[in-house]
Amino acid sequence: DVKVTQSSRYLVKRTGEKVFLECVQDMDHENMFWYRQDPGLGLRLIYFSYDVKMKEKGDIPEGYSVPREKKERFSLILESASTNQTSMYLCASSLRVADTQYFGPGTRLTVL
Amino acid sequence: QKEVEQNSGPLSVPEGAIASLNCTYSDRGSQSFFWYRQYSGKSPELIMFIYSNGDKEDGRFTAQLNKASQYVSLLIRDSQPSDSATYLCAVNIGSSASKIIFGSGTRLSIRP
Repeated sequence: DVKVTQSSRYLVKRTGEKVFLECVQDMDHENMFWYRQDPGLGLRLIYFSYDVKMKEKGDIPEGYSVPREKKERFSLILESASTNQTSMYLCASSLRVADTQYFGPGTRLTVL
Repeated sequence: QKEVEQNSGPLSVPEGAIASLNCTYSDRGSQSFFWYRQYSGKSPELIMFIYSNGDKEDGRFTAQLNKASQYVSLLIRDSQPSDSATYLCAVNIGSSASKIIFGSGTRLSIRP
């Protein structure tokens, strides 16, 4: 079974803080994704990575950076957190880009 | 027009009945179609995928794809209270299956 883990289930941060979210998958998948999910807006793609050190912007990349130094690990960094970044953050991985995505448990981030 | 559209619901269905969930998409070239289930506070998990026109059955679930009319549906037979969740439709959009777009989901409630 594919396993995708995320570093935290819940985080509370203050405006202006730097926030690190980490995602690890154990299935040697090439593709990894970061989404945020907000009520009424569904899943919105922030960034995806199709290989180590390769990434593409999604629909809402502003305010986020996504280092991928190793194949199994995809991080999401909020350089200076703002209250409008309060959300559920979901990481996913897939073997091919248009293939089944396997999701981690999510991180609920609150920015005060 | 959104790329992937679903009725947000809630859709209320009596226990034991058939629940029918619908999804329309805008890209006529889409090839891959997925249905995910998401329980409240949890991450999405794949129920089914379908690539070819027609029906695909898996237990109580049937996915139906009609590429000419650009819709995909999910039928749940003998609905159970445990089926109460949000169902997300996902479709590949763009040439070369470049990315997956998720609908905003339909909330399904099975009433005993």
